[in-house]
Amino acid sequence: DIQMTQSPSSLSASVGDRVTITCRASQDVSNYLAWVQQKPGKAPKSLIYGTSRLQSGVPSRFSGTGSGTEFTLTISSLQPEDFAIYFCHQYNTYPVTFGGGTKIEIK
Amino acid sequence: EVQLVESGGGLVQPGGSLRLSCAASGFTFSDHYMDWVRQAPGKGLEWVGRTRNKANSYTTEYAASVQGRFTISRDDSKNSLYLQMNSLKTEDTAMYYCARITTTHKRADYWGQGTLVTVSS
Repeated sequence: DIQMTQSPSSLSASVGDRVTITCRASQDVSNYLAWVQQKPGKAPKSLIYGTSRLQSGVPSRFSGTGSGTEFTLTISSLQPEDFAIYFCHQYNTYPVTFGGGTKIEIK
Repeated sequence: EVQLVESGGGLVQPGGSLRLSCAASGFTFSDHYMDWVRQAPGKGLEWVGRTRNKANSYTTEYAASVQGRFTISRDDSKNSLYLQMNSLKTEDTAMYYCARITTTHKRADYWGQGTLVTVSS
């Protein structure tokens, strides 16, 4: 199975900050990498797919880059509604595998 | 509007069985692959398995942790997805989500609100 490793596991940030989360795959997943956001008690919400493509309706402050085994999610200017947990996942190979998550907390 | 509504969760003893359902609306269900994903309390997301569509013979894929115990099925006439869970273990305790898979990129784009399964004696 492909292991997905996210860093950091948590971070504290302020509204307006630029935030970057890293996701590393144990094998090449090409560009089949997605990011989801989850708020407490809520279902996951798709943010980015294909490494850098924004899900319809997702604000442009979210962006994704990378290829192969190393990927990043960047929030250019953190907003109050962005405090949540973010998970990367690869869908290049079965089984689909998720990173452990990154919790963004209010500083 | 795409809607996915899971049901059927509850408390079950170890070794028992449970069948989850996911009612879909707002899109052509029969065109799409569908996934089940679970999340143990306070933990991350774990993919459970997938069913493909009729064009791909309704074939399925499973995580090793549930292979041979869980079965995914669907009824396109009812726009419904199912997860039959047998020989349940305490480690199967989780919120179970169904997710729609896009027809082109084969990734999850919409998720239901989940149904909670608790395996305990």
